[in-house]
Amino acid sequence: RKEVEQDPGPFNVPEGATVAFNCTYSNSASQSFFWYRQDCRKEPKLLMSVYSSGNEDGRFTAQLNRASQYISLLIRDSKLSDSATYLCVVNMGNDMRFGAGTRLTVKP
Amino acid sequence: EAGVVQSPRYKIIEKKQPVAFWCNPISGHNTLYWYLQNLGQGPELLIRYENEEAVDDSQLPKDRFSAERLKGVDSTLKIQPAELGDSAVYLCASSLDPGGLDTQYFGPGTRLTVL
Repeated sequence: RKEVEQDPGPFNVPEGATVAFNCTYSNSASQSFFWYRQDCRKEPKLLMSVYSSGNEDGRFTAQLNRASQYISLLIRDSKLSDSATYLCVVNMGNDMRFGAGTRLTVKP
Repeated sequence: EAGVVQSPRYKIIEKKQPVAFWCNPISGHNTLYWYLQNLGQGPELLIRYENEEAVDDSQLPKDRFSAERLKGVDSTLKIQPAELGDSAVYLCASSLDPGGLDTQYFGPGTRLTVL
């Protein structure tokens, strides 16, 4: 089993749609969780951290479920500019482990 | 403020040749990471430095890969000799605090093609 697994995607959605990604992790002792965004042929950039109580940043909502060992990202009212690959990142001990990413394409 | 700087941005070499990548982290960031990213995959950690000390190099293929961060600032990753399977993007990242609890800032990467 991979340490961090994500929905395989790709997700193709129309503008304005709501889309959700899930990510599961294997290490129950994982301490911190993040979602990064990576545009085509660009470097990953932090989208948001994921807190135990869940957190929201505009149209983006992140949730953590420690019992089931997964995190989620919800995007509401999708924009064309949201098209990218979304990487789930889990801190396992002192190192970050990245998922393979889920590709999102938002279409007009 | 300048971000993480990497050079070169692109490198094409023939197999069995050596290659080196350079990274200058954000000023004041003591933690530096080297990652490898294959197409369609997430970044995979190769090595992590806290200042000049390599605190995790368990994923670094030591038979052909080496890295250094002599003064605890910029870093070099070397491959000698390169193999066809080494073709990938090599990303450098830095963070302010150790332990992976802090945001990592990535450089633009070096895209390596081995022919």
